Formats: sequence, C-alpha cells, structure tokens
Amino acid sequence: KNEVEQSPQNLTAQEGEFITINCSYSVGISALHWLQQHPGGGIVSLFMLSSGKKKHGRLIATINIQEKHSSLHITASHPRDSAVYICAVKTSGSRLTFGEGTQLTVNP
Amino acid sequence: EAGVTQSPTHLIKTRGQQATLRCSPISGHTSVYWYQQALGLGLQFLLWYDEGEERNRGNFPPRFSGRQFPNYSSELNVNALELEDSALYLCASSLGPYYLFGQGTRLTVV
Repeated sequence: KNEVEQSPQNLTAQEGEFITINCSYSVGISALHWLQQHPGGGIVSLFMLSSGKKKHGRLIATINIQEKHSSLHITASHPRDSAVYICAVKTSGSRLTFGEGTQLTVNP
Repeated sequence: EAGVTQSPTHLIKTRGQQATLRCSPISGHTSVYWYQQALGLGLQFLLWYDEGEERNRGNFPPRFSGRQFPNYSSELNVNALELEDSALYLCASSLGPYYLFGQGTRLTVV
C-alpha cells in the first residue's frame, strides 16, 4: 500500500462544476502539499498545509490531521484547470512523498 | 526573481552514455531535491542536498549521483544509462517548509 493515496485517479468535469480531489496518507507528516502539473511537466506548488484550511482564488485545501486526510476543492471549474493534481507529504528528512496524482479534465 | 531553473530542458542520450543535469535553486534556498518521474509513474525521490552535503537518497542504484556546489546549484549525473532511465527529472529547492519546482529535464535514452 502506498504511503499516500489519492482519489480519484481520473476526473472529468464540465466547466463550472465543483471538484473535489482526496488524499489520504498513512505516515506521520509535518506538512502536506498540493501540487499542479501541466502537460510538459512543470510543477507549481498550490498549497502547503499543516492544519486547517487555506483558500487561494477558486482553490480551497483542507487537512484533517487526526484522520490523515486532505481534500483539494476547485470551485467554478474552468478548462484551464485541466492538469494533474498531486498530493505530497513531508515526512522525516525533509523529503516529499508523492501520491500518484489525479488527472483532471474540465470540458467547456 | 528567477524561479528554480533546470538545464537542459531536453536531453537525448544513447544507452551506456552518461547524462548530466543541472539545477539552480531559488536565491537563498540551500536545499535541492531531485525527483524522477518515469512515464506513467508518480514522482520518486532521488537525492537531497543541503549545504553542499548529500543528506538522503532514494532507492536508486549508485549510477545516480550528484553534487551541490558552494552557490547551492546542483548537478545530477546518471552513468551507464539504461532505457528505463528515460524520464522527467525534476529539481526542487526549499527553505523551511516551502518548495519550488523547476520545469524539469526530459531525458530520453535510445
């Protein structure tokens, strides 16, 4: 079993829909990151969470440390949100452990 | 301010050759991480350098090595290239809990 599990693996939505991507982890962490990877490979860091909730524009990230679970929400989704979203946790030694990613496609 | 920069963006090598990938971190960031993303697979941790020292390495053979220079830039070397080394290699730098990623080097081994 992977230390970081994401669901769903693939998600297709219509423009305007509310989207949720989930991340569960099985190890102790000091922080959780949500990353966005566009075709071509470059990665953008969206959020870094150690507790609670953060919001940036149409993106909201929450984390429940007791349940070892985090969610990334996208409100009013847009085709430009189409990308791979990756959950990563910071464990011992400062390295990140990554989930497999969620491929999001938003159709116009 | 410039982000994390990686060079080259693309690299084609033949099996058995050596590849050298370079990464320049954000100014002030002392830690550099290397990750491999093979086709269809998730990101795998390769190496972590901090203050010029290798701090941790992932489950990769010794053919994968690197170093960090006094200006905190880093080099990843892959010797005796194999076809399965074809992947996107991403570099990230950090200061405290915040990470910034480069655009990656796509290595193709033929």
